[in-house]
Formats: sequence, C-alpha cells, structure tokens
Amino acid sequence: DAGVTQSPTHLIKTRGQHVTLRCSPISGHKSVSWYQQVLGQGPQFIFQYYEKEERGRGNFPDRFSARQFPNYSSELNVNALLLGDSALYLCASSFFSGGPNNEQFFGPGTRLTVL
Amino acid sequence: AQKVTQAQTEISVVEKEDVTLDCVYETRDTTYYLFWYKQPPSGELVFLIRRNSFDEQNEISGRYSWNFQKSTSSFNFTITASQVVDSAVYFCALSEGWGQGAQKLVFGQGTRLTINP
Repeated sequence: DAGVTQSPTHLIKTRGQHVTLRCSPISGHKSVSWYQQVLGQGPQFIFQYYEKEERGRGNFPDRFSARQFPNYSSELNVNALLLGDSALYLCASSFFSGGPNNEQFFGPGTRLTVL
Repeated sequence: AQKVTQAQTEISVVEKEDVTLDCVYETRDTTYYLFWYKQPPSGELVFLIRRNSFDEQNEISGRYSWNFQKSTSSFNFTITASQVVDSAVYFCALSEGWGQGAQKLVFGQGTRLTINP
C-alpha cells in the first residue's frame, strides 16, 4: 500500500510569492496534518483537517491556509513568502482526528527554499 | 503548556557502543502519549514507538529499548550495540488527549546521532 505522498519534493520561491504544497494521505485515512520543520529544529504543528473541516491550528500567521478535498487529499498554501518560511513541510495522515492514540504517518516532506 | 526537551543536541559514538538519548516532557494532562521518531537524511519521520501515560513498563525491541519514568517525566531511548545505520536525527514527541478536537504532536528539538565506524 502507498504511504503518504507529497508534491513537489523541492521548491524554490522568492520573497513575496505564494506557494501551494500538496499531500495525499494513506488510503482510508480521513485526517491530514501539516507540520513545518525549520532546519535544526523539531517539526511544529500548523494545521489538522478531518472530513474537510479544520480541527486545529498552530501558532502560525494568516498567511498560512489549508484545505482538504473530498478525496481527503490536502493543500497547504502560504502567501507573501518570507525568508523565514524556508523549511521542510511535512504532511501526516491518520485515520481519525481525535485522541492522543491516533498514530500519524508522515510523508517525505516538501523542502521549500525562499530566496 | 506542553513541552518536550531533548537536551543533547548532538551525540557521536563509535560503532558497537551503547548510547542513550534523553527526553524530558511537561504536560498538565493525565492522559497523554509519548513517541520517538527517527529522521534519516531523506527527511521522512519514521515511527519507532508509542507509549501511553498509564503504562510505565519498559519496552525492548531488538537493539532498541525505552525507559519511561513518570516520576521524573522522562522517556529515554537506548540503542545497544549501535550501528552506522542508526545515524539519524531522533525526535521525542508528546501528544495530549482531547476529545474530537485536533490531535497535534509536540516535538523536541531533536538529537543528531552519529555512529562512526
């Protein structure tokens, strides 16, 4: 079975541009979460979506937005890119959204570089 | 507030040595889960273990073992007879329980482990 897939693998943008990152969850999983991992740090939670609804948001500015589609795939959008947005963006999927015992499976990530 | 601290930024050992990675967490919840993930250079987070707050039994899986002590809020990870393939960044993470709301993992800063031949 395919794991979590993310596209693109790498992306280079310039300041002020916007970017869209895509994630396809494991088949049967209905929840997708997004994390940002800046070089040398641990991943930080950005969003969780379940059944196409936002279930949680981390401490990120409104420039960050996301959505989930009927097939449970997801997009993360970042507007007005800043140099500090350069990071590895990880997507994780899980079967449902609630509870701490809900194992999340991570994709390979999209490495975004903002020049 | 939830917090995970991995005080060891980098560890370097020679192959076949044992190595312990430390993890200390803070939470106000009585129900929570602790995780360890491995991140090789490819970037993907690889799940290693999950432990719930009610189960303080230590766990061993091959060369890996985990020591969970609620009294000291620690969840340490030991690799016995380390191998070069164990070289990676290791993250400890905490997940708190909450109903139908979001589930999020709070990660530590990570420990970069280098096993030298």
